[in-house]
Amino acid sequence: EVKLVESGGGLVKPGGSLKLSCAASGFAFSSYDMSWVRQTPEKRLEWVATISSGGSYTYYPDSVKGRFTISRDNARNTLYLQMSSLWSEDTALYYCARHGDGDPLFDYWGQGTTLTVSS
Amino acid sequence: DIQMTQSPSSLSASLGGKVTITCKASQDINKYIAWYQHKPGKGPRLLIHYTSTLQPGIPSRFSGSGSGRDYSFSISNLEPEDIATYYCLQYDNLTWTFGGGTKLEIK
Repeated sequence: EVKLVESGGGLVKPGGSLKLSCAASGFAFSSYDMSWVRQTPEKRLEWVATISSGGSYTYYPDSVKGRFTISRDNARNTLYLQMSSLWSEDTALYYCARHGDGDPLFDYWGQGTTLTVSS
Repeated sequence: DIQMTQSPSSLSASLGGKVTITCKASQDINKYIAWYQHKPGKGPRLLIHYTSTLQPGIPSRFSGSGSGRDYSFSISNLEPEDIATYYCLQYDNLTWTFGGGTKLEIK
């Protein structure tokens, strides 16, 4: 069974930093591209970052480029999201998601971890 | 960036009935659209990809169609467990954009 468990969320002051983790199990983690997707308080879903299976390629939307860094440790089956220069618009529920076999969409998701940016 | 306009934002239907949700892309997305079901406390569940291909285990009550910029998603024979928010996702050209969501309620 594919399982993705996010952790590391919390309350951060504007301008602060935080690192999220996602522990993967039930599949060959090193063979799959992975992403982070967030759900805003208004319930919008927004793609945040993507990393290739080997970690060589990363992709970001303009809204987080230069502030967020996605990485992975294939030996530990863990995905990360380092976030810095956080502001209130980054407040969201952050999901870890696996990309499909040969299809660049999200086929399995975790249950999410919450980030709140507030003074 | 590709924008996805999803409608309606909410709808209410009777058990056994049928509902249809639409998504319009700001440009041709070459049928690279997926549909998700999202319930509180869980991650979204992939129902359909590449416009009309059902994921394994998803009942045939769920269906999708469309091309170019215009796509639709339908649920027939509504059941109580279909209460959820539904989202479209375009995944053309290594960018990913979601529609705004449709909250489905059962009358």
